[in-house]
Order: sequence, then C-alpha cells, then structure tokens
Amino acid sequence: EDKVVQSPLSLVVHEGDTVTLNCSYEVTNFRSLLWYKQEKKAPTFLFMLTSSGIEKKSGRLSSILDKKELFSILNITATQTGDSAVYLCAVEYPNQGGKLIFGQGTELSVKP
Amino acid sequence: DAGVIQSPRHEVTEMGQEVTLRCKPISGHNSLFWYRQTMMRGLELLIYFNNNVPIDDSGMPEDRFSAKMPNASFSTLKIQPSEPRDSAVYFCASRPTLGQGSHEQYFGPGTRLTVT
Repeated sequence: EDKVVQSPLSLVVHEGDTVTLNCSYEVTNFRSLLWYKQEKKAPTFLFMLTSSGIEKKSGRLSSILDKKELFSILNITATQTGDSAVYLCAVEYPNQGGKLIFGQGTELSVKP
Repeated sequence: DAGVIQSPRHEVTEMGQEVTLRCKPISGHNSLFWYRQTMMRGLELLIYFNNNVPIDDSGMPEDRFSAKMPNASFSTLKIQPSEPRDSAVYFCASRPTLGQGSHEQYFGPGTRLTVT
C-alpha cells in the first residue's frame, strides 16, 4: 500500500531555532512531492518538487527532494512564532489528474 | 479571485440526518477534490473529478457518501444517513488544468461537521 510518512509528528522549538522536517514515501508511481502549511484552517501551498537535488527556497523556508532515497526535507531557519502550524507532505501520482496522498503531518510549535 | 468557496462552514446535525456540503472551485480550474481530515486519519482523499467527471472514488468510505459535480462551478458531497464517526473537517480543493502554470491544489476553508 502506498504511503507517505512524516517525522517527527510534533516538535516544539524556540524562536530563532532551525528545524528540519522529514518526509519519506513509498509509492508505486511518482510525479511530484508537495509541501503544505496548515494553520487551523485550510492547507496553503509551500513547494512542489519534481527533481532530485534541486533546492527550492522561499524566504526562511527551503526544501529538497531525494528520489533515490525516496525522501524530502523541509528546513525552516530562524523560526518565528508565526511558523507554528502543521506541515503536510504529499506525493502526487502521475496521469491521475493531480491525485495526492498526504502524510500525517508534523505539528510545529515555536515558543517565544 | 475569491478562492475555493465552501458552505456551510460549520454543520451540526443529529445521527441519521442527511448532510450536504457544497463547493465552488476557482474559476477555470478543471479538477476538483474532496478530502476529509480527522486527528486519527489525517487528510484523506475521498473523491476527485476531472472536467466534472468522477475519476476516482476509491476513498469514499461507504455507500452513505455520494458526490456530484453537475457543472464546472459547483460540487456537492452528501452523507445520508450521517453517523457520529463522520464528524470531521471536509475540504474541497481545485486545481488548474495541467500545462497552465503551476498545478498545485488550492484548498477551500473547509466545513467542520459534527454529528451527534
């Protein structure tokens, strides 16, 4: 059965810390891997990764994909309380109209 | 653009009642997805449509659940009869046509359903 596994499930850090969130996947077919941020409401899109080794960056957030080892990481540097959220990782199947399988999410709490 | 619109935002109903959740996707998006999110099971895909046609309903938990998309701007998810274990947040998401720029899914605000 296809699955996406995230770790850790929850994490508490202090402002200014750097965090690394992990996402591993076992799927029969792969098109891309997506990261979403969910803050008590709808998930909002962060990154889409399709190629290994190419880092995507947006401000203090960055992500990279390793298609050989079947994992991705999401890094957040100099964390702020506004980064507190659940971070979701999802794998997109090819040729299935955008069908995603989501991981359980990592709940990040950033303390002042 | 108003984004994906869902209604109602909150629904409280009694066991056995019919529940209808509504979704208006972003204009021009040709794929629509219904998800259910619970603490225990996370975010699960229930069904998705492409050009108003249901493509994969393997995530629909049982026959009590049904979904329709009569046109490109409207979809419903119906639960009949509802049960307490259906309590969850139901999200609708839409996605642009492949090849037309970025193709991530855009989520609506969700409907929080409580069945007592």
